[in-house]
Amino acid sequence: AQSVTQLDSHVSVSEGTPVLLRCNYSSSYSPSLFWYVQHPNKGLQLLLKYLSGSTLVKGINGFEAEFNKSQTSFHLRKPSVHISDTAEYFCAVSDGGYNKLIFGAGTRLAVHP
Amino acid sequence: DVKVTQSSRYLVKRTGEKVFLECVQDMDHENMFWYRQDPGLGLRLIYFSYDVKMKEKGDIPEGYSVSREKKERFSLILESASTNQTSMYLCASSLVRLAGHTSSTDTQYFGPGTRLTVL
Repeated sequence: AQSVTQLDSHVSVSEGTPVLLRCNYSSSYSPSLFWYVQHPNKGLQLLLKYLSGSTLVKGINGFEAEFNKSQTSFHLRKPSVHISDTAEYFCAVSDGGYNKLIFGAGTRLAVHP
Repeated sequence: DVKVTQSSRYLVKRTGEKVFLECVQDMDHENMFWYRQDPGLGLRLIYFSYDVKMKEKGDIPEGYSVSREKKERFSLILESASTNQTSMYLCASSLVRLAGHTSSTDTQYFGPGTRLTVL
């Protein structure tokens, strides 16, 4: 069965510094992986996705993630965060059928001035 | 742009009431999903539908039912609301991309959510 573990429940960084949000997954076959962002009182918005091909995936707002099959990881990073990046971030893996997604518990990112 | 709308942003109901949460998408997507979101638990799938009148249980279907009479609309029903159903409910939809005999994963688009409080 597929599962997702987000290794940090809360991350706090200063504006302009880099950030790494960690995600490990478990899947019995080649996974499709996603990162979503949820700003306060909003729905989820797709940041980026990995389906196949290049292991480095670039998304919106300067975010990128790297698929690492040997370490079963899909970590999200941004070189320089902005106050507006304060939000909750969810990593998800597809179960392969009907596009069902299995989500991690989420990481709350707080960016301070 | 894909748009997924949910009938209410905030809803307050009493224990034992029958509750309807409505979701509409405007992109002719085949798949629709209902999740609940609780702090520290992420999103958990309640039910999903891959076609009109078709439904499948997700991970936590107990206490819920669904209805999909039209392709664009997917309703979540709480037959008799209980306090442990107080939560944020998120609806999503996605396209099914077919390539030969296989389908590929496509992006799920989410509505803004309904925060339900059961007193």
